[in-house]
Order: sequence, then structure tokens, then C-alpha cells
Amino acid sequence: DVKVTQSSRYLVKRTGEKVFLECVQDMDHENMFWYRQDPGLGLRLIYFSYDVKMKEKGDIPEGYSVSREKKERFSLILESASTNQTSMYLCASRALPRETQYFGPGTRLLVL
Amino acid sequence: SQQGEEDPQALSIQEGENATMNCSYKTSINNLQWYRQNSGRGLVHLILIRSNEREKHSGRLRVTLDTSKKSSSLLITASRAADTASYFCATVLIQGAQKLVFGQGTRLTINP
Repeated sequence: DVKVTQSSRYLVKRTGEKVFLECVQDMDHENMFWYRQDPGLGLRLIYFSYDVKMKEKGDIPEGYSVSREKKERFSLILESASTNQTSMYLCASRALPRETQYFGPGTRLLVL
Repeated sequence: SQQGEEDPQALSIQEGENATMNCSYKTSINNLQWYRQNSGRGLVHLILIRSNEREKHSGRLRVTLDTSKKSSSLLITASRAADTASYFCATVLIQGAQKLVFGQGTRLTINP
């Protein structure tokens, strides 16, 4: 079974803090994704990566950056957290273009 | 604008009944995928149907796709309390970065 893990289930941070969300997949998938999910807005793509050291902006990249130094790990970085970044963050990975994505359990981030 | 839109937004039925959820989209797709999300958790892939397929089954799930109407439906037969979850359709466009575009989901409640 594909396993996608995220470093924290719940996280509380203060405005202005630098926040790292980590995602690890164990199936040698090339593609990885970061989404945020908000009530009434559904899932929105923040960034994705086709391969190591590659990254592309999704629909809402502002205020975020990412890092993919190793194939299995994709990190989402909030350089200076703001209250409007309070959300559920979901990581996903995919073996092949256009095919199924496998999701992690999510990180619920609260920025105070 | 939202590519996929689910209907209804919420559905509540009795255990044992069938549940039908619909998804409409706007632009031509490569495939359409259905995902399930239990409260506060990550998404789990249910089924993928390609643009040249009309119907697909997986256990108690039946998915149809009508590309002329740009719509899909997910039928869950003989529902169980454990089917209570949110269900999302997601489309992969023919053009573009092959990312998934999610609808806002249908919240399904199965009453025992």
C-alpha cells in the first residue's frame, strides 16, 4: 500500500513564525502536491513537484514556498505565517501523470 | 471558476438505501476521479473513469460518465453507516499541467 505521511496532525503557530510542513511518501512517486482545504472553497492546489528539485506554482502559491531535495520528501514552507493561512493542509503523491493521487492524513494548522 | 461541481451539497439517507451524487464540469477532460474523505482526514481514491469510458464498477460503487453533458454520477448501493463521509469528484484536463481540479464535495450522511 502507498503510504503518505505528514509530520503533524495538528499545529498551532503565531503570526510571523516560519512554519514547515513535511510530507513523505514511500512509493518512489515522482509527482507530489500540496493542497489546502477550506470550508466552502474545497481543495485548492498550492504547489506541485514533478520530480526532485522541480516545483511549479498551483492556483494559490502566494505566501508559500516548497522544497523537494529528495524524491520521497516534499516540504511546504510558510515564510511568515498569517491568520489567513489557518487551514487544513493536504499532501499527495502520484506515480504517473493523470492517474490516482494518494493523500496523507492532513495537517490542521491554526495561526494565532 | 470551479471545474467540478457536486450536487447535492449534502445528502442524508437511511442505511440500506442507495445514494447518488452528481458532478458537472466545464472543459474537456482526460479522466474523472472520485475521492472520499472521512471527517478531518485525508482523501482516499475510490474510482477513476476515463473519457472514453461510460460506466465503471467497484464493489458497491458505480460511476457513470457522460462527456456530452459534461457530467458524472457516483452511486453507492446498499449504503452503510460507515459510508458517511464527504465525496469529491476531481477532473484531469486534457490541456494543462495534469493537475486534479476538485469540486466542493457532497456531504453524505447515512442514518442507522
